[in-house]
Amino acid sequence: AQTVTQSQPEMSVQEAETVTLSCTYDTSESDYYLFWYKQPPSRQMILVIRQEAYKQQNATENRFSVNFQKAAKSFSLKISDSQLGDAAMYFCARWNTGNQFYFGTGTSLTVIP
Amino acid sequence: NAGVTQTPKFQVLKTGQSMTLQCAQDMNHEYMSWYRQDPGMGLRLIHYSVGAGITDQGEVPNGYNVSRSTTEDFPLRLLSAAPSQTSVYFCASRGLGSGANVLTFGAGSRLTVL
Repeated sequence: AQTVTQSQPEMSVQEAETVTLSCTYDTSESDYYLFWYKQPPSRQMILVIRQEAYKQQNATENRFSVNFQKAAKSFSLKISDSQLGDAAMYFCARWNTGNQFYFGTGTSLTVIP
Repeated sequence: NAGVTQTPKFQVLKTGQSMTLQCAQDMNHEYMSWYRQDPGMGLRLIHYSVGAGITDQGEVPNGYNVSRSTTEDFPLRLLSAAPSQTSVYFCASRGLGSGANVLTFGAGSRLTVL
């Protein structure tokens, strides 16, 4: 199965706190890429962070970092110092050497002032 | 640099009507694709293309047609709209080759079929 699973439909975090969004995936490929996309109320899909499966080091982009556990097929997103602008739907996605990206069902993040 | 441009942003159709969602990109990307987004189901691939004259089906192709006559344009056609096609549609593109695997999305098109 070529699935991406996000088990948390909704999450909330206090402003300035840290939150972790979970993602697991299934693949038989050894070469693939993982992504987190953010979709704010504007509906625009915005790339947050990308991880190459062959890299052991976890990717980071400013306040966003991932915990990539290849053996467990887990790819969680950590948002530090949460800001009101982080409120959005977050999608985990996987791409392998084929031509299809597989997306999870999304996690809606609320940031509480 | 406009990126990926989709039109229209909103459309209301009656059952049985036809329409075309337009998608254009100015990044010289070989790969273009159409997704639909439905609540609780994430984004699902409808059709994709790896170059002019080449198209292929994704996960949910029924009821949709595509063509790719130029590198820049990838229109999605609904020949006979059904209420089940009410959704938000996204066009996305990426370059091919090592490192060029990030999808760039258009702003989306909300379609309602009555």
